[in-house]
Amino acid sequence: QVQLQESGPGLVKPSETLSLTCAVSGYSISSGYYWGWIRQPPGKGLEWIGSIYHSGSTYYNPSLKSRVTISVDTSKNQFSLKLSSVTAADTAVYYCARWDMGVGLFDYWGQGTLVTVSS
Amino acid sequence: SSELTQDPAVSVALGQTVRITCQGDSLRSYYASWYQQKPGQAPVLVIYGKNNRPSGIPDRFSGSSSGNTASLTITGAQAEDEADYYCNSRDSSGNAWVFGGGTKLTVL
Repeated sequence: QVQLQESGPGLVKPSETLSLTCAVSGYSISSGYYWGWIRQPPGKGLEWIGSIYHSGSTYYNPSLKSRVTISVDTSKNQFSLKLSSVTAADTAVYYCARWDMGVGLFDYWGQGTLVTVSS
Repeated sequence: SSELTQDPAVSVALGQTVRITCQGDSLRSYYASWYQQKPGQAPVLVIYGKNNRPSGIPDRFSGSSSGNTASLTITGAQAEDEADYYCNSRDSSGNAWVFGGGTKLTVL
């Protein structure tokens, strides 16, 4: 069974960089699929942030592209998100998920982690 | 604003049929996938592609598409189907992906 688990600080100061890691178990990232990040501000809808392949190929949400970096570490079977220059608008539950880009679906999701941007 | 538009809220009587729609120009070229999200939980994939259900999703869930509109239909809605539903597909450029704003389904 594929499992994903997000980890990282729950509180980030404005203007700083948000950093999260998603550990994958039950499946080797190197075996295929893209791996993505999605966020959900409190009481609002889902927003796709971006996705990465094990080779390092990435797709980013154009509205966030200038601030987002997604990377992958196949040796640790995990991938990471960095979002720079955060503001209160970046406060959200951040999910990681496995992404079948060809079919267009996210089939396995982490439980999500709340990141609050506040001084 | 999202390039995929959903009605904010829909209600259905227990046991009846409900259709949740998602509109967007990109849907003329790409299929949508649909996700169910209950409070405090991660989204769950319920429909993808032309009309495919992942293992474990009841067959009362089905999908369809016509023109710029994708639809999720629940035939014989159950109390446990009360949730938020989101569609997801490519945007009009084809190089990014977007979610609809979500539809809150109430089962009466």
